[in-house]
Order: sequence, then structure tokens, then C-alpha cells
Amino acid sequence: EIVLTQSPATLSLSPGERATLSCGASQSVSSSYLAWYQQKPGLAPRLLIYDASSRATGIPDRFSGSGSGTDFTLTISRLEPEDFAVYYCQQYGSSPRTFGQGTKLEIK
Amino acid sequence: QLQLQESGSGLVKPSQTLSLTCAVSGGSISSGGYSWSWIRQPPGKGLEWIGYIYHSGSTYYNPSLKSRVTISVDRSKNQFSLKLSSVTAADTAVYYCARDRGYCSSTSCYRWFDPWGQGTLVTVSS
Repeated sequence: EIVLTQSPATLSLSPGERATLSCGASQSVSSSYLAWYQQKPGLAPRLLIYDASSRATGIPDRFSGSGSGTDFTLTISRLEPEDFAVYYCQQYGSSPRTFGQGTKLEIK
Repeated sequence: QLQLQESGSGLVKPSQTLSLTCAVSGGSISSGGYSWSWIRQPPGKGLEWIGYIYHSGSTYYNPSLKSRVTISVDRSKNQFSLKLSSVTAADTAVYYCARDRGYCSSTSCYRWFDPWGQGTLVTVSS
């Protein structure tokens, strides 16, 4: 199975700053079949990005995804207070579908 | 708007079988060619995909859990279910159901999860 490694584990930033979250895959992810989710405490994950760079319905354009092969990035251009949460990447290019271990984005 | 809601036993004894149901509202479980998944998250940890089912009843299970998992569908009630046998404390987790969205080729499907249910905590303890 494909192992996804997210870095950093924790990212401390201030509102208004730019956040860059990374997701590395143990082997190439077919056709950039990678998604990003946001999870806030006590809530279910919410889809942000699919196909590595397509924003889900209703997701603000400050969220963007990029990458291919084994290296993917989620960028939040200007952090809003509601963006502080845990972010997970997930690949669906091969079975079983797998998730990264998450990056916690916390307020500095 | 499609909504999913998990329900079931919140406390299960070791070696017994965990049983959960996901009720789908705002849409039919039989339409659109979607598959329907279960995902779990141990307290304070990451996410693990358990498996999926189509309305036809065909399934795929994560090899890590395959020997203990059964997912079934009840089209008349617009819901699908999860059974996990021989549970241990390691199976304590929040269990989520979700709809799969994505693409299919002639040989494979490629799907992410959207939307998710709110999740239900299952604790394995005597």
C-alpha cells in the first residue's frame, strides 16, 4: 500500500500568514489522485481538494493544492482564524486508499 | 443536501462484534453509481479506511481488516452497515461513514470521500 507522510507534524503560524503543508508518497500516486481534508476538534473531516488541485464546492480560493507523482502541497494563502485545524492528505490512486498522519496547524 | 448519520452500539466487549449503521438522507443510496465507505479514527490518531459497498452489494475491504469486516446494504431503508468481529481495545475509535465520489475506468474506480457522517465513538472495554 502507499504510505503518505505529512510534514511538518505541527505548524505554528499567525492569522494572515501563508501556510504550506506537504504530503509525500512512498510511491507515485496514479494520475494525481490525491485529496486534502480539514478536520476541526469533534467534527468529521471536510473535503477541501481532490485530484491534487481541484477545490471542492464551497471551499474558499485561499486554499490551493499542487503536486504530482510523490510530492504534493496544500497552500493556504492568507490564514483566517477558522483555518486552524488538522489537515490530512489521502490517496485514491491505488487500493487500499490511505491517509497521511495529519498536520496540525496551530495559532502562533 | 445529502446527509449521513451513524448509529449503533457505543460500548462493545472484547471478542464481541461491533455493529454500526449509516442512514442516508437527501438522496438514494442506489442512484448515481456511488459507493459507500466506512472509515475509522482512534482517539487522537489518524484515519483508516475500512472498506466500501455498492448498492448492488459488491464490496471491497482493506486487507488490514478484511478477515473481520462485513459491510452490507439495505436499499429499502436507504442505509448500509458495518460489522467488525473479534474486537479488541485497538478497535476503539470514532467510526465514520461517507459517500465515495470520483471516477471509474473499465478496470478500476478512483474515489475520495464526500460528504462524511458526523461519526460515532465505539469503545471496546469489558
